[in-house]
Amino acid sequence: EIVLTQSPGTLSLSPGERATLSCRASQTVTGSYLAWYQQKPGQAPRLLIYGASSRPTGIPDRFSGSGSGTDFTLTISRLEPEDFAVYYCQRYGSSPPYTFGQGTKLEIK
Amino acid sequence: EVQLLESGGGLVQPGGSLRLSCAASGFTFSNYAMSWVRQAPGKGLEWVSTISYRGGNTYFADSVKGRFTISRDNSENTVYLQMNSLRAEDTAVYYCAKDLPPFRDLWLCLDYWGQGTLVTVSS
Repeated sequence: EIVLTQSPGTLSLSPGERATLSCRASQTVTGSYLAWYQQKPGQAPRLLIYGASSRPTGIPDRFSGSGSGTDFTLTISRLEPEDFAVYYCQRYGSSPPYTFGQGTKLEIK
Repeated sequence: EVQLLESGGGLVQPGGSLRLSCAASGFTFSNYAMSWVRQAPGKGLEWVSTISYRGGNTYFADSVKGRFTISRDNSENTVYLQMNSLRAEDTAVYYCAKDLPPFRDLWLCLDYWGQGTLVTVSS
């Protein structure tokens, strides 16, 4: 089972700043089948990034993903007030089990 | 507009059973694998189960294998999660979610999620 470790646990930034969130896998994530989700309190998760760097329709371009192998990054170029939330990375593909990272809480400084 | 609406959650005693439903609309339901993901209070996300788009293949996390079953009715655009032998550690919000690509038995890249239904296992 691939374990995903996200860092930092909590990130305190101000609106307008750049956010960099990390996700490290215990084994190579084949095909870069790595997704990022955003979850706000009381809401369901929302898919932000898939394939390590692709954005679904409707996701603002201030969100970008990068990485391959075991190291992946989610970058938010300029934080908007609505971006403060918890972010999870997740491995997907055709082989279970599937795991999520433990999450990074992005909070307003 | 894609919509997923879960129902069936509630309070149940340890050892009891519960059946969750997820009614889907806004897409061709029979073309997509469907999954359940849960979130214990204050905790992270945990994959629970997936059913292939035709319904012939099912997959479970080790934590629920042998206790939970998943099924779907493509004529009713609904996916179900039957939960038996429930334990306190099954207490969570259960989300129904749709896979991104069509015609895959199993992928778990989840592009739409329902709002969740709360299951509480307690005496």
